[in-house]
Amino acid sequence: DVQMTQSPSSVSASVGDRVTITCRASQGVRSWLAWYQQKPGKAPKLLIYTASTLQSGVPSRFSGSGSGTDFTLTISGLQPEDFATYYCQQADSFPLTFGGGTKVEIK
Amino acid sequence: EVQLVESGGGLVQPGGSLRLSCAASGFTFSNYWMGWVRQAPGKGLEWVANIKEDGSEKYYVDSVKGRFSISRDNAKNSLFLQMNSLRAEDTAVYFCARVPVHRPFDYWGQGTLVTVSS
Repeated sequence: DVQMTQSPSSVSASVGDRVTITCRASQGVRSWLAWYQQKPGKAPKLLIYTASTLQSGVPSRFSGSGSGTDFTLTISGLQPEDFATYYCQQADSFPLTFGGGTKVEIK
Repeated sequence: EVQLVESGGGLVQPGGSLRLSCAASGFTFSNYWMGWVRQAPGKGLEWVANIKEDGSEKYYVDSVKGRFSISRDNAKNSLFLQMNSLRAEDTAVYFCARVPVHRPFDYWGQGTLVTVSS
């Protein structure tokens, strides 16, 4: 099974900050990597797929990069509505696996 | 508008069974893989199972193999998860989600809570 490791597990940031979250796969997943945002009590929302493709309707301040085993989600210019938990997920092979999550909190 | 609405959650004793349903609308259900993802209280996301458009392929996380069964009824635009031999560690919110070709889960339901406790 592919293990997905996210870091940091939490980050405190201010509105306007640039935030970077990393996700490392235990083996190569090519570009089959997605990022989701989840707010308390809500379903996850797809932000990015195939490592760097922005899902329709997602603001351009979100961007993704990487391939193989190392991936990054960047939020450029954090907005109040961006405070949430973010998860990466590999879609290269079954079983599908998620990272442990990164909580973005208000500083 | 794509909508996924789960139902069937509730409180069940260890060893019991439950059947979750997911009603889909706003898209051609039979053209998409579908899946179930769960989230234990205060924990992260865990993939549970996926099923191919025509039901001919099914995949499960190891922890539910032999106990859970995913199925679908394309005529009724519905996805199901039959859960048997439930354990306390199966307690979670269960989400159904749509899986487009070459994409991850793009639409999710609101989730249904399953609590396994005596």
